[in-house]
Amino acid sequence: KAGVTQTPRYLIKTRGQQVTLSCSPISGHRSVSWYQQTPGQGLQFLFEYFSETQRNKGNFPGRFSGRQFSNSRSEMNVSTLELGDSALYLCASSLERHSTDTQYFGPGTRLTVL
Amino acid sequence: AQTVTQSQPEMSVQEAETVTLSCTYDTSESDYYLFWYKQPPSRQMILVIRQEAYKQQNATENRFSVNFQKAAKSFSLKISDSQLGDAAMYFCAYKGRNNNDMRFGAGTRLTVKP
Repeated sequence: KAGVTQTPRYLIKTRGQQVTLSCSPISGHRSVSWYQQTPGQGLQFLFEYFSETQRNKGNFPGRFSGRQFSNSRSEMNVSTLELGDSALYLCASSLERHSTDTQYFGPGTRLTVL
Repeated sequence: AQTVTQSQPEMSVQEAETVTLSCTYDTSESDYYLFWYKQPPSRQMILVIRQEAYKQQNATENRFSVNFQKAAKSFSLKISDSQLGDAAMYFCAYKGRNNNDMRFGAGTRLTVKP
């Protein structure tokens, strides 16, 4: 079974631009979570989507948004990019929303904001 | 709020030796899940082992085992017979029963010396 895939793998943008990242979960997985990883803040939860609805959201500004499609694929959007948004963005999928479900991670998208 | 602390930023071990990585967490919940993830230089986050808080028996996966001390809120990872491929960042993570967002520690960089 194919793992979690994320596209693109690398992205360079300039301040003020917006960006969309994509995540395809493991086949059959319905929950998708997004995390931001930076050297200073470590791994931080952004949000979770399940059944096309945002179920949980971390402490990030409204510039960070996302959505999930009927096939469980998810996109994450960051508007009005700031230098501090440079990070590795990780997507993780799990079967359902049960607490017993393990999250499996994709390879990440490395975003650089200049 | 739940917090996860990894007090060892870096550890090193000789090939074939045993190493223990430490993790402590803070929570008021009684039911939760703990994980160790490995992130090699390729950046793909890989699940190493998981532990359900309601289980007294420590989880094991081949050369990897945990020492789960619920009262002390401690969750250490023991790697036996260390191999060069074990070199990576190791993250301890917490997930509560009623949500799907994981809290991660800052990570421990493990170096394996030949």
